[in-house]
Amino acid sequence: EAQVTQNPRYLITVTGKKLTVTCSQNMNHEYMSWYRQDPGLGLRQIYYSMNVEVTDKGDVPEGYKVSRKEKRNFPLILESPSPNQTSLYFCASRGQGAAFFGQGTRLTVV
Amino acid sequence: QKEVEQDPGPLSVPEGAIVSLNCTYSNSAFQYFMWYRQYSRKGPELLMYTYSSGNKEDGRFTAQVDKSSKYISLFIRDSQPSDSATYLCAMNPNWANNLFFGTGTRLTVIP
Repeated sequence: EAQVTQNPRYLITVTGKKLTVTCSQNMNHEYMSWYRQDPGLGLRQIYYSMNVEVTDKGDVPEGYKVSRKEKRNFPLILESPSPNQTSLYFCASRGQGAAFFGQGTRLTVV
Repeated sequence: QKEVEQDPGPLSVPEGAIVSLNCTYSNSAFQYFMWYRQYSRKGPELLMYTYSSGNKEDGRFTAQVDKSSKYISLFIRDSQPSDSATYLCAMNPNWANNLFFGTGTRLTVIP
């Protein structure tokens, strides 16, 4: 089954404690991206990657890092999380068409 | 001005009604248009994917694109309570470009 898998689904952490949200896709897509979704603001792109070792900033990259060492994986790293990064996060992958989304990671930073 | 505008609703309709959801956009280069459905606490799932102008039908769902007016629509016929969700439009100039999303319209279908 074609899918995008994110982990964890839910995470509560404290300010400043580094965390990583993993994302994996099994569709051999070259394009992967991370979004955050906040009420009234919709989906905002954090980072995207057109291929292995190629990443670029989206609309809201501050406070986030990514890496793309393998085609299937695209982890999102928060080196020093802050409360304003409390949000619902989605990973997506895309071939030559529409994007497929993971189930989301609800992150709370206290 | 946002690239893509979408009325956030909420929109409530009785079961069986025809629902019309709309987005407008400002970039005339957009050629690929998508509609996603997002249930509460879930990821967006692709409903319809269209290229350029025209109509596309899939069961109870019809997507329309009017590039001359920079306006896209999603029609849901015989709406069901299971259609209650947030509907997001998305578009881009070509497959290699980033997607531009509307903020979503929240729909409730009342039994």
